[in-house]
Amino acid sequence: DAGVIQSPRHEVTEMGQEVTLRCKPISGHDYLFWYRQTMMRGLELLIYFNNNVPIDDSGMPEDRFSAKMPNASFSTLKIQPSEPRDSAVYFCASSIVTARNTIYFGEGSWLTVV
Amino acid sequence: AQSVTQPDIHITVSEGASLELRCNYSYGATPYLFWYVQSPGQGLQLLLKYFSGDTLVQGIKGFEAEFKRSQSSFNLRKPSVHWSDAAEYFCAVGPAAAGNKLTFGGGTRVLVKP
Repeated sequence: DAGVIQSPRHEVTEMGQEVTLRCKPISGHDYLFWYRQTMMRGLELLIYFNNNVPIDDSGMPEDRFSAKMPNASFSTLKIQPSEPRDSAVYFCASSIVTARNTIYFGEGSWLTVV
Repeated sequence: AQSVTQPDIHITVSEGASLELRCNYSYGATPYLFWYVQSPGQGLQLLLKYFSGDTLVQGIKGFEAEFKRSQSSFNLRKPSVHWSDAAEYFCAVGPAAAGNKLTFGGGTRVLVKP
């Protein structure tokens, strides 16, 4: 079975540019999570969705960050405008209630803002 | 509020030796507990999980973990380490309810000496 698929795997962009990260969750999963990993702060939950509806976005750092889930098989995390301090690994993950909410992670999108 | 502490930031172990990684959690109810492993440049892979029942759980790659409610601990062990076990290990705790919003520990980086 295909796991959580993220794109791009690596992105280098200039400060001020818009960045869009994409995620395809595991088919049939009803929860989708966006995490950010940095050396300083470790793994942080940014936002999560249930059945395409945002449930908790309290971890989104500021208004420059936005996330959408237009359908059950696709989600985006957008940063506009990007700043160097946004450099991090962004993980998408998904889970399903019937599997006791075990979360499965994608390979991550490695973002560098210069 | 839930929290996870991994007291050891780095551990160095010789190949073939045993390994134990510590995890202490703070949680107000019955927790779901997880261990994930992250190899360099990779995403997080689920090693094992505890929901209920037998407090000694077996995972992939020869790992096991023991849940001790009285000590609020969920330590990870492996009897004989292989060089490929060099990675970062994360303990996580989440609610026994829908929408598993996991809280991660800071991680323990394991180095394996030949």
